[in-house]
This record gives sequence, C-alpha cells and structure tokens, in this order.
Amino acid sequence: DGGITQSPKYLFRKEGQNVTLSCEQNLNHDAMYWYRQDPGQGLRLIYYSQIVNDFQKGDIAEGYSVSREKKESFPLTVTSAQKNPTAFYLCASSPTSGRYNEQFFGPGTRLTVL
Amino acid sequence: AQRVTQPEKLLSVFKGAPVELKCNYSYSGSPELFWYVQYSRQRLQLLLRHISRESIKGFTADLNKGETSFHLKKPFAQEEDSAMYYCALRQGGKLIFGQGTELSVKP
Repeated sequence: DGGITQSPKYLFRKEGQNVTLSCEQNLNHDAMYWYRQDPGQGLRLIYYSQIVNDFQKGDIAEGYSVSREKKESFPLTVTSAQKNPTAFYLCASSPTSGRYNEQFFGPGTRLTVL
Repeated sequence: AQRVTQPEKLLSVFKGAPVELKCNYSYSGSPELFWYVQYSRQRLQLLLRHISRESIKGFTADLNKGETSFHLKKPFAQEEDSAMYYCALRQGGKLIFGQGTELSVKP
C-alpha cells in the first residue's frame, strides 16, 4: 500500500459543521477523484480533477466542495448543506495519458454525523 | 444515459463451484469496461479490464456487445475470492460504477 493516503480514517461531525477530508498521492498522477460509497449504491462520483487548478462536478456534487492547488493533493470539504453526509469516502488517482489509465484508490475515510 | 447494472447484491456459492457475477451496461459507443474488487479491510483495486483480455486469479470477463454485458466468471471458486466486486464503465475521464455484488464463497 501507499501511493494514495487519506486522513483521517474515521471522522465524526456534528450537524451544521463543515469538515475537510484529506487525500494525497505520490504517484505523479494528473487526475484525482472523490467517490462516496454507500451500501447497495456502489460508488458515486462527487468531484474529479484532471489537472491542477481545475475540477469538475460529478453526479452528486451538491453539498461538497474541492480544491486542487497542488498535483499531489485533492481535499474534499463536506459542508453543512450536504443532507446526508454519513458515508464512506474514497479518493482515487490515475494517469491521464497512456493506454491503461487505471484508477488507484486510497483506504477511505468513514464520516459519521452525530 | 450511461449506466452500469449489477443485478445481484449478494451471490453465495460453495468452494469449487463455478461463479458468474453479472454486469450489464448502456453506452452509446465503444465501451471500455473494468472489474474492481474490494477484499475485506483492503482497498478497492483493479481486477481486470476487457481491453487486455486477461485472466487474473482465475477470473475472466468477456465483453458481449450484442447483449451489452461484461459478466465476470471463474470456473472453480475459492474461499479467498469472497469480496465485493464492482463493474465499471469508462466515460471520458471518469468511471461509472455499478452497485456492486458481494460474493461469498462457503467452505
């Protein structure tokens, strides 16, 4: 393991608070992604970024925000506007060139809203 | 809309039995499909991709464009195959995942 790290592993938040989940990669990948994993719903894309200082909304971006100031880092902020934030969050990265642009995943952060 | 469907939430088989995890997709174009696996307490990882037509850990998956399917198969299941399996479709720079199938292989 290694390559992509996420912190913290577990995070507890009170309603009305914003929290930021960290994602760092040392694979020199251009692209990074945030997914939300819920039982029975698979992985749903929140945001993705294919280059520094640029990112796009995924399928469920409402209530979330991201930044991509450095190639290695893609933090996700879960805002108080997110109606149901309790979930398991996965970060991934991939190259954007080459034949096989496999996505590599981090270990995840489990967020619980109290 | 592009979509990936895995109809089975849970698939339970006995050790040594054949296993087939179903995946159907909808895509207007030439699809690029993948199977990802998540073992207990491990990261989600790529198992195989259709473009390389490989066999990994005894698993194979054939793309059937007529039936829009990419089912994952293994002739003899092992207990260590127990995991969560996700089928995924590439759309531009991102992946669309199915809902996942939990495979349980009993001794």
